[in-house]
Amino acid sequence: DAKTTQPPSMDCAEGRAANLPCNHSTISGNEYVYWYRQIHSQGPQYIIHGLKNNETNEMASLIITEDRKSSTLILPHATLRDTAVYYCIVRPSGGYQKVTFGTGTKLQVIP
Amino acid sequence: SQTIHQWPATLVQPVGSPLSLECTVEGTSNPNLYWYRQAAGRGLQLLFYSVGIGQISSEVPQNLSASRPQDRQFILSSKKLLLSDSGFYLCAWRRGGASTDTQYFGPGTRLTVL
Repeated sequence: DAKTTQPPSMDCAEGRAANLPCNHSTISGNEYVYWYRQIHSQGPQYIIHGLKNNETNEMASLIITEDRKSSTLILPHATLRDTAVYYCIVRPSGGYQKVTFGTGTKLQVIP
Repeated sequence: SQTIHQWPATLVQPVGSPLSLECTVEGTSNPNLYWYRQAAGRGLQLLFYSVGIGQISSEVPQNLSASRPQDRQFILSSKKLLLSDSGFYLCAWRRGGASTDTQYFGPGTRLTVL
């Protein structure tokens, strides 16, 4: 799997957009970018994934650069409940082995 | 809809005692199943995965084992717990044969070995 790099922590004011970056410079052509988050003492929650086009769902938007070497998860209006650790991982389609979650980015939403 | 259950939610066990954690999935058939461990302040570590009944793959050598006696049941076991086995254990499932790798996690079991 391609390795990802994320900042260890970020702060965001409540109601503002939270932009979480992820670098994956060694990503392969068949690898998807996935984002999960883990609220304290809970299991991780799937947020969104994409291959090369930007994606949006009810939780967030995913912006992938044209060269696919980096991406940004956008929470458009952060709330206190969005305080969590956010994980960016890259995985090939259909694969089921060696899923690796790194240490992620701890997002603190501030009132 | 699909749901995933884990129990117990918390567990305190002495060193050297046995362990059995159970995970069940409802609402899907032939899922891929996973056991992860998360040590305090650390990322998730994949321990085992299974693509079918009786099929278990281990990612790291350890004193833990896993079994899948039924299609939607995944069990994590140990004969003798170590202090280093303390952590947050998570079970996850993925739609079998799916083209993407979205995984859905259970609520977890927090294990403390004393």
